[in-house]
Amino acid sequence: AQSVTQLDSQVPVFEEAPVELRCNYSSSVSVYLFWYVQYPNQGLQLLLKYLSGSTLVESINGFEAEFNKSQTSFHLRKPSVHISDTAEYFCAVSGSGGYQKVTFGTGTKLQVIP
Amino acid sequence: ETGVTQTPRHLVMGMTNKKSLKCEQHLGHNAMYWYKQSAKKPLELMFVYSLEERVENNSVPSRFSPECPNSSHLFLHLHTLQPEDSALYLCASSQEFLGTSGITDTQYFGPGTRLTVL
Repeated sequence: AQSVTQLDSQVPVFEEAPVELRCNYSSSVSVYLFWYVQYPNQGLQLLLKYLSGSTLVESINGFEAEFNKSQTSFHLRKPSVHISDTAEYFCAVSGSGGYQKVTFGTGTKLQVIP
Repeated sequence: ETGVTQTPRHLVMGMTNKKSLKCEQHLGHNAMYWYKQSAKKPLELMFVYSLEERVENNSVPSRFSPECPNSSHLFLHLHTLQPEDSALYLCASSQEFLGTSGITDTQYFGPGTRLTVL
């Protein structure tokens, strides 16, 4: 069994300030990790994913996340947020071998304040 | 149209109604998924279809009935729902069924259908 915990349901942050959205997971097997973003009235979009290799993964719009196996975390960070980053962010985990269901967290709403 | 589309975007129904949600993907994918998104709860996987065959059914009540007539279309037939079934229902697709190649395929999501059961 696996689970994902996103402790912060809402994170307000001023524009151009840095932000970190926290994600912790539990799993008895090796994992793949994902961050999805959901803009208002839209479906989920994959932001970035960790499958293997470098523990630091980046997205095209400036977000990055680091896989920390010892702390079972995959926190999402951006050094300077923009109004357009206002959305809900979901962390997800799946096992890494064979068929493995993806388990999603409850989401964190990022509100960027002008 | 491109990507994954869902219709209707909003649906209000009574508990005795029968309605259907439609999902269509224009990506040439082989796998399609139904998810339920309720407020303050994790996204719940309901059904998975791979090459039009159901491969996952996560203990979903029988009042939800999926149908996959071809690899591009997925339906969710609704019958005698309960108010607690009110949620956002998301459809997704991926190139292959999740995990069959040992690599998790990226899922592409539709915008969802906001369902309200009165």
